[in-house]
Amino acid sequence: QVQLQESGPGLVKPSGTLSLTCAVSGGSVSSDNWWNWVRQPPGKGLEWIGEIYHDGTTNYNPSLKFRVTISVDKSKSQFSLNLNSVTAADTAVYYCARGGSGGSYGLPDYWGQGTLVTVSS
Amino acid sequence: DIQMTQSPSTLSASVGDRVTITCRASQSISSWLAWYQQKPGKAPNLLIYKASSLESGVPSRFSGTGSGTEFTLTISSLQPDDFATYYCQQYDSSPWTFGQGTKVEIK
Repeated sequence: QVQLQESGPGLVKPSGTLSLTCAVSGGSVSSDNWWNWVRQPPGKGLEWIGEIYHDGTTNYNPSLKFRVTISVDKSKSQFSLNLNSVTAADTAVYYCARGGSGGSYGLPDYWGQGTLVTVSS
Repeated sequence: DIQMTQSPSTLSASVGDRVTITCRASQSISSWLAWYQQKPGKAPNLLIYKASSLESGVPSRFSGTGSGTEFTLTISSLQPDDFATYYCQQYDSSPWTFGQGTKVEIK
C-alpha cells in the first residue's frame, strides 16, 4: 500500500518561501507514476499546483509557474515543493498525491493527509 | 484554462435517495473527466475516471456519464457514508482544473 506523508513548516512569512516535502513509502518514486501537489484554501475548492516524473520532467499550473518548483529525490524516495514570494492567498492545506497508472493514468489515486500552511507575519 | 462548473453547490437529500450532480466544462474534454469524494479534514478520494469508469474498491452505487462538455455523477441510493463534498476534475489539458464542489447534506 502506497503511503505519502507531507512535512514542512506550518507558518511562513509573507514574501518568504514555502517548502514542503512528501515522503513516499510502500512504492517507488521511480515507478511509472506522476507525483503531484494539490492545494485547498480553507473552506474552498481544490487547485492543482503541478507534477513531476522520476526523470525530472515537470508540469506546472501557469497561475503559479513563475513561483513554483517541484523536484524529486529518488535516493530519499521523496519529492518536494517550493513556492516563493508567498502571500496570504497561498494559505492552504497542501496535499501531495501519486498519479495513478493504468486506466486512471495520471489521476491522483493515493494522497497524503495534507498539511496546513499559513502565510502570516 | 478549462473552467469546470458544478451544480448544485449544495444538495440536501435523505438516505436512500437517488442523487445526481452535474459538471460542465467550458470546452470539450472528450471523456477526460474524474470525480472525487472529500470528507471534512480528509484528502479527496478518486471515485470515477474517464467519465464513467469506477475506480477499484468504489461501491457500484456510484456511476458517471457524459462526454464533451456535460457530465453527471449519480449515487443510486444514498448511504450515510456518502454525505460529503464531491468534485469533478478535467484532465484533458493542463492545467488540470476542478469544479467548485457540491456538498451533499443530510435533509
